[in-house]
Amino acid sequence: GESVGLHLPTLSVQEGDNSIINCAYSNSASDYFIWYKQESGKGPQFIIDIRSNMDKRQGQRVTVLLNKTVKHLSLQIAATQPGDSAVYFCAENIPRPPNAGGTSYGKLTFGQGTILTVHP
Amino acid sequence: DGGITQSPKYLFRKEGQNVTLSCEQNLNHDAMYWYRQDPGQGLRLIYYSQIVNDFQKGDIAEGYSVSREKKESFPLTVTSAQKNPTAFYLCASSISGGPYEQYFGPGTRLTVT
Repeated sequence: GESVGLHLPTLSVQEGDNSIINCAYSNSASDYFIWYKQESGKGPQFIIDIRSNMDKRQGQRVTVLLNKTVKHLSLQIAATQPGDSAVYFCAENIPRPPNAGGTSYGKLTFGQGTILTVHP
Repeated sequence: DGGITQSPKYLFRKEGQNVTLSCEQNLNHDAMYWYRQDPGQGLRLIYYSQIVNDFQKGDIAEGYSVSREKKESFPLTVTSAQKNPTAFYLCASSISGGPYEQYFGPGTRLTVT
């Protein structure tokens, strides 16, 4: 059933600091991971993705690290700015079992989210 | 501009009424998805469609229905059977044969009283 009054993990940083947002994923068979940023009242925006055959990927000011041994994903934001304040979600893609045939059907499972607050 | 549109942004309904949320995309994506988001929580998958005239239930499909008659459109109906319909509803689309990035619309906030 649904839970009411959940408290999201929060991270508060000063402008200019580096931020690290962590995510533990659920399934060792997950083959694709993605980070989204969501501002209040808006739809999620893509930040960066990574496939399971990689352990690091860099974008503009962002880096995603994947540790498959402990099923851990992290998002690093360099020189955090007030405009980075938002809720950040990780998501994993769990592929269909081999005996089901076909390839992944692209169904993402989302984490609960982390609130990032950047203070000027 | 290419993208996903959802309308309306805010929707109010009385309990017991069915309501249909619109989702249109001009990205030429085969796959489309509907998610529900409750305060302080992540996204939960309601229904998804990998191709026109085909769709599958997600994790919380009870009380919802969809159709996929056109590639560009994937409307969601929230029926009176949905026990807690008040939520933020998000539509997304992606290239099929994935997994690939899903592009999200701006969302519709539904309030049922």
